[in-house]
Parts: sequence; C-alpha cells; structure tokens
Amino acid sequence: DQQVKQNSPSLSVQEGRISILNCDYTNSMFDYFLWYKKYPAEGPTFLISISSIKDKNEDGRFTVFLNKSAKHLSLHIVPSQPGDSAVYFCAATGNQFYFGTGTSLTVIP
Amino acid sequence: NAGVTQTPKFQVLKTGQSMTLQCAQDMNHNSMYWYRQDPGMGLRLIYYSASEGTTDKGEVPNGYNVSRLNKREFSLRLESAAPSQTSVYFCAISIGQGSYNEQFFGPGTRLTVL
Repeated sequence: DQQVKQNSPSLSVQEGRISILNCDYTNSMFDYFLWYKKYPAEGPTFLISISSIKDKNEDGRFTVFLNKSAKHLSLHIVPSQPGDSAVYFCAATGNQFYFGTGTSLTVIP
Repeated sequence: NAGVTQTPKFQVLKTGQSMTLQCAQDMNHNSMYWYRQDPGMGLRLIYYSASEGTTDKGEVPNGYNVSRLNKREFSLRLESAAPSQTSVYFCAISIGQGSYNEQFFGPGTRLTVL
C-alpha cells in the first residue's frame, strides 16, 4: 500500500504565478520529509526538506509546509519559472525512504 | 549527479537474459540503494545496503540480486530478465545523520526487456 501519495499527476502554471504541489502520507511515524526534482534522463535531485518538529521551511523561491495532524505536506514555488518544469517527488523517511508517485509540473512562459 | 556513477546508461535485453547494473560512489558513504522508477509508480526500493558486506530487501526485491563487495560499489543483477523489469533504475547513497538524511542519486540506467 502506498504510504506516500501525490494525487495530482500533473500541474500547469503560468510563469510568475505560484505552483503548489501536494503530498499526503499515512504513517504517523515518519519524521523527515523531502522534495526532489527530476528532469528527463537525469536522476532525482534534492530540493528541500522539513523535519516533523517544524511546520514550514523556506529556501529562496521554495517553501515546504507540513501539517502533521492532516498528514499532509505541500511545496510552494513562488514565482514559478519555466526552468521549474520537471517531475517533483515527495518523500518521507522512517526506517527507509518512501517516495510518492510524482507530479509533473509545467510552467508556461 | 557527480559522486554516484551508473553503468550502463541504456540496455536492451531479451527475455531470459542476465545482466548486472553497476553503481559506484566516490563520496565515502556507507548506505547505498537501488530503486526502480516506473510511470505512475514513483520510485520503489529494490534493495539497500547499510554498509559493506550487508544487504537487505526493499519493497520490490523479487527477480533481483545485489552485491556489496566494498564500500564504493553496489551492483544489481537480473538473473533472468522479464518484460516486467523494463524500467529506469537508479542507484543512490544516503547523506546525513540519523533520521535526517537525503538520498543522492546517480543518473540512472534505462533498461528495456523485450
């Protein structure tokens, strides 16, 4: 059973607007959450993370929010740029890494 | 993806053939992982190795074997390839401490089994 879920396979956003990518998880024991970005023909690269003791972490244009009671995290990209077009995976760690199925973001110039 | 290398980049096999995917890291980390990525399925863990000489099964180990002969290298072997093993395979290492660690990925091997 999928412990980390990304229910939106794709998302299109205009350049300059906000992109919001969502992720839900089922295991309350997860204590660290990450977002990865993947371009075609490349391996995933780490983007941003958040520990379970926080509810927000910012890094430049990227902010991750964690709602532990809802078992939900989201990635906000503001402003979105065409170079942000990629597949985004969320991940959670317990005794091992669990990845979501990915959301393909397209930023339209 | 400097630091984790994978060979080959592409491979086409016929059903029943065998092959070994190679992964090497120059970052001197203990933990190494093999994932497969399939459309709509995300990244699924096949096997991992917490340290030299140890290996453990992940979520989807059937049809695969692994070998961690030294700290630097972690190989994935398909003894008798099946079309269901057509996928993109990623090797990764774990960077960080305790629970707060990241996975650092190689560039991937795209495998097609006919």
